[in-house]
Parts: sequence; structure tokens; C-alpha cells
Amino acid sequence: NAGVMQNPRHLVRRRGQEARLRCSPMKGHSHVYWYRQLPEEGLKFMVYLQKENIIDESGMPKERFSAEFPKEGPSILRIQQVVRGDSAAYFCASSPKDSGNTIYFGEGSWLTVV
Amino acid sequence: QKEVEQDPGPLSVPEGAIVSLNCTYSNSAFQYFMWYRQYSRKGPELLMYTYSSGNKEDGRFTAQVDKSSKYISLFIRDSQPSDSATYLCAMFKAAGNKLTFGGGTRVLVKP
Repeated sequence: NAGVMQNPRHLVRRRGQEARLRCSPMKGHSHVYWYRQLPEEGLKFMVYLQKENIIDESGMPKERFSAEFPKEGPSILRIQQVVRGDSAAYFCASSPKDSGNTIYFGEGSWLTVV
Repeated sequence: QKEVEQDPGPLSVPEGAIVSLNCTYSNSAFQYFMWYRQYSRKGPELLMYTYSSGNKEDGRFTAQVDKSSKYISLFIRDSQPSDSATYLCAMFKAAGNKLTFGGGTRVLVKP
């Protein structure tokens, strides 16, 4: 999973604040995915993006969560008005094309809501 | 019912033993099958991927897929303490790009 860069690695927010998680895909990769991992659980798909397009957001909560992947710069996962239930590890992954066998993950961003 | 089922473990084995992991799935649309290893507080690392039914071997790792039974397995030979981690199976449909994960099996290899 070298190459997919996520920051911050750890983030603490008070209830009601906003959290912004950033992801830079591997060089040459134009597809980005966000997954959430709750304690002692597997990874749950949230959203799939290409440059300037949201392809599949079927796993995103309907409120407070948004994602973007602009033409320039990293992909951003934004969580508004965080609640304690948002505490989780958020993983970004990237791939060069529509290919499931080349999806690589970053090291994750751990969000703690206090 | 979850689309992908995986025994959470923990699975504890002595060093040198064979580790046997498996997942079952319910959706026959899954075409690609992966195994990831995840160490504590780290991202998932791709170990193996397979497309068709049968076996695939890579070093100490062997992945098996039985599409007729909707069952996949991962075997780790000559297990080492450094293999202690959580192992996640994941699946991908031909259409669409989201991986669907099992819940992960925690493995502990004791020296």
C-alpha cells in the first residue's frame, strides 16, 4: 500500500466540529475509493470517485458526509457536525482503471470524536 | 444476511503450522476475489487475487476459489509469528468497482 498518501493519520474532533480527511492516490491512478472501518469490523464501502466525478456514493450516509476529487489536488472526505458514532478508521484506496485487482490502500486516517 | 461471511476468530496456531482461512458469499455476481492482510493500526495490504475457480499459489500462500459452492480459502504454509494479523477476504463484481469485504479473521501465530 505504499504510495497512497492519507493525512492526517490521526484526528481528534469535538462533537459538532468538521473533519476533513485527505487522500493523494498513487501516481498514475485516477480512481479513488473511501472505506470506513469501525472497531472490530471489516471495511465498508463509502464512495468511489474519478477526477471531478462521483461514480458511486451508495455507501455514504445521506447527511453530513461528502466527498470530492478535484481536477487538481487530493481527494477530500468531509464530515460535518461530527458525532461520536463517526469515530472510525477511514481508508482511501486508488486504482489506475476499472480493475478490482489493482486497488491499493493507504494507511488510514483515525478519527476520534470526543 | 451479509453478502460475505467470514469467521472472526481469533485463530491461534503454533509457529510452522498451516493457517486455513475461508469466506462464503451469497452473490454469484462476484467475479474477482482478493485476500488482504491488515496489521493493527495499518492499511490493508493486498496478498492474493484470483478470478476463476481453482488454486493460485504465491510463495507460502495459496488461494482457492470454488464458485459453485461460493466459497474461497486462503492457506498459509509454514506460518511465522510475523503472519499474526487480521486477514480480510474481499470480492468485486464485474460491473461496478466497489470491493465488498468480509469482517476479517484475526490470526495469532505463537512462537
